[in-house]
Parts: sequence; structure tokens; C-alpha cells
Amino acid sequence: DGGITQSPKYLFRKEGQNVTLSCEQNLNHDAMYWYRQDPGQGLRLIYYSQIVNDFQKGDIAEGYSVSREKKESFPLTVTSAQKNPTAFYLCASSIGELAPFFGPGTRLTVL
Amino acid sequence: AQSVTQLDSHVSVSEGTPVLLRCNYSSSYSPSLFWYVQHPNKGLQLLLKYTSAATLVKGINGFEAEFKKSETSFHLTKPSAHMSDAAEYFCVVSVTSGTYKYIFGTGTRLKVLA
Repeated sequence: DGGITQSPKYLFRKEGQNVTLSCEQNLNHDAMYWYRQDPGQGLRLIYYSQIVNDFQKGDIAEGYSVSREKKESFPLTVTSAQKNPTAFYLCASSIGELAPFFGPGTRLTVL
Repeated sequence: AQSVTQLDSHVSVSEGTPVLLRCNYSSSYSPSLFWYVQHPNKGLQLLLKYTSAATLVKGINGFEAEFKKSETSFHLTKPSAHMSDAAEYFCVVSVTSGTYKYIFGTGTRLKVLA
């Protein structure tokens, strides 16, 4: 079945650590996105990528980094520069004008 | 600039009664609009989308939405609520300016009372 896999489902980070969230899709979609979700704030765009080896900052990119070395993969690194990383992170992909398809999410908690 | 406003953060209905979740949008372009549903600790699932083919859009699970350009609205409705409809709903507008981006509303949490 085609879809998006996000791992891990739950992630705990200590202060000052970098962590990487995985996102893999087998939908053959060109575009991929990372969103952050906080209660009462909807989804905010962190980074997006339209093609391999190219990506753009979204509205809240500070403290995050991404790579797009393969069409199927779009990992997100939460760096120690992100001061308030506790949130639910959603990866999505899309192609053309079709609506984005979402993965199941990763919940990151800072200890 | 494109934006989307969900007018109610919480809506409560009794099981079997109609559901109305309100969404207003602002767009410089002819917009594409979507409604998604999210159950707790899950990803978002597409309910329906409007892409200018028809103003009344039917989606999954008995939901539908009507695009009203004069009112800049895209409200989501369902004739009869079911307990399984309890979830958070997001209205989304797409931004088309060379690349696709999506702007999300802040969400409406639907509670269904037995």
C-alpha cells in the first residue's frame, strides 16, 4: 500500500541534543512538507521541497534543518537552536494539484 | 495574501443532529480549498476538496461543503452526526505562486454528545 511512514512515533530529547525525524513516502510524489502542530495553532510549515536536492524555508524554519537526497525521503533535524521543540510533527507529500497526503506524525517531547 | 479563518474553535452537537463547521478564506487567486479531519495523535485525512469543478463538493463519511465565492466561505456540513465524527477538522487553502503551499486554519474540535 502506498503511503507515508514517519518514525519514530514518540521521541524524547534532552536539552541541547539534536534529533532527526524520519519521513519516507512510496507515493512517487514530487513535493514533501514538514509541519509543526501545537494545540490551538493549527499546522505551521517548517520546510518544503518540490524536487530532489532543493528545499525552501517555511514560516518557522529557525532551529530546524532538512535534506532531500532522494525523492522518497525528507528527514527533519531538530537542532539545539530550536528553543521550544515539544510538538507534534507531521510530514506530508503531494503531486501536482492533488491534495497533500499526510503521515501519522511524530510526537517530540523535550525532557 | 492568502488566509483561512475557522470561525469556531469548538462545536458540540448531539448524535443524529446536523453538523456545521464554518470556514472563510481570503485568496488573490482562484483558490483550491480542502477539509481535513484529524483524530487524536493521528495524521490528517482528506475529507474533500474544491478545485473549481463544482461548487457543492461531496466527501467521505457523508460530509459535504459548498464553495460560495460571494461570501468567501467553504463551510463543512453533515446531515446527521455520528459518534465517530468526534475529531478536529481543518480548513485549508492552497497558495499557487509557482510552487504549491498550503495554509491551514487553526482547527475546529467537534464534540458529539450521546
